[in-house]
Amino acid sequence: QKEVEQDPGPLSVPEGAIVSLNCTYSNSAFQYFMWYRQYSRKGPELLMYTYSSGNKEDGRFTAQVDKSSKYISLFIRDSQPSDSATYLCASSRTGNQFYFGTGTSLTVIP
Amino acid sequence: ETGVTQSPTHLIKTRGQQVTLRCSSQSGHNTVSWYQQALGQGPQFIFQYYREEENGRGNFPPRFSGLQFPNYSSELNVNALELDDSALYLCASRARPGSSYEQYFGPGTRLTVT
Repeated sequence: QKEVEQDPGPLSVPEGAIVSLNCTYSNSAFQYFMWYRQYSRKGPELLMYTYSSGNKEDGRFTAQVDKSSKYISLFIRDSQPSDSATYLCASSRTGNQFYFGTGTSLTVIP
Repeated sequence: ETGVTQSPTHLIKTRGQQVTLRCSSQSGHNTVSWYQQALGQGPQFIFQYYREEENGRGNFPPRFSGLQFPNYSSELNVNALELDDSALYLCASRARPGSSYEQYFGPGTRLTVT
């Protein structure tokens, strides 16, 4: 079983839609949770960071962590064509070695 | 754009050869991590360097080795290249170990092994 599981998609939505991206993790000791966005042939770009459980909001993006179910979510409101990218979730116990999901490919159609 | 740079951008090597990839960390960052990202996969942690010492390693064989220099730039060396080593190699820097909220990735080096 992989440490972090993520549905690879692809996911295609119309512009303005709410996007929900999800991951599950297996290690209950994980306490650092990140979401990265990766455009084609680029390095991952940090979007959201959460420590332990709870919600975090930044503009159109909301990250949720439910440690009881080992579930990580990213919501994108009012999605834009520029949001089209691969979204990676990542988790860590110590904040050093991160375990990444396989990434979900998102396309926002104008 | 982050302040993390990597070189070269692309390279092609033959199976059995050795390769060195380079990373310059963001100013003020003394911790560098290296990741391997195979096509269609998420990044996999190779190792981390803090103040010129390796302080964490993922599930990679010893033919993957690294260095960090006094200016905190870093190298990843891979010996006896195998076809499965073909991937995007990413380095990420941060101000100190554990400061995960400020881990920034470089653009990566795409390695093709033939």
